[in-house]
Amino acid sequence: KAGVTQTPRYLIKTRGQQVTLSCSPISGHRSVSWYQQTPGQGLQFLFEYFSETQRNKGNFPGRFSGRQFSNSRSEMNVSTLELGDSALYLCASSLDSPYEQYFGPGTRLTVT
Amino acid sequence: AQKVTQAQTEISVVEKEDVTLDCVYETRDTTYYLFWYKQPPSGELVFLIRRNSFDEQNEISGRYSWNFQKSTSSFNFTITASQVVDSAVYFCALRVMEYGNKLVFGAGTILRVKS
Repeated sequence: KAGVTQTPRYLIKTRGQQVTLSCSPISGHRSVSWYQQTPGQGLQFLFEYFSETQRNKGNFPGRFSGRQFSNSRSEMNVSTLELGDSALYLCASSLDSPYEQYFGPGTRLTVT
Repeated sequence: AQKVTQAQTEISVVEKEDVTLDCVYETRDTTYYLFWYKQPPSGELVFLIRRNSFDEQNEISGRYSWNFQKSTSSFNFTITASQVVDSAVYFCALRVMEYGNKLVFGAGTILRVKS
């Protein structure tokens, strides 16, 4: 079975721009979660989607948004990028709660 | 509030030594799940184990073993006869049922195994 895939793997953007990251879950998985990893804050939960509905949301500003499509693929969008948004963005998929989540390789976003 | 503490920031051992990574969690909920993940330099988090709050039985998988003690809110991870390939960052995480799939991670422990 193919694992979780994320595109692009690396991205460089300038302040004020917006960015869209993509995640394809493991086949059959309906839950997709997004996490931000930074050296200072560690791994932080952004949001979770299940069956095209946002089920949980972390403590991030409204500039961070996401969506899930009928095939369970998910995208997250960050608008008006700030330098502090530079991070590794990880996507994870699972069958549902409480099953374990499997993570993708991440998208490394650098904001200059 | 839910919290996970991994007090050991970095551990260095020599190959073949045993090493234990500590994890202490906080939650008021009675139903929860604990996880360990490994993050090698490539960046992808690799799932190692899941344990629910009603199952305190310790688990062994090859050179890996986990000790879950509700009385001390700890879920420690031991690697026996460590190998260079075990070098990575290890994360302990907590999931509380009412928050669906949200994982609360500890800060991680960097493990360096020297040959």
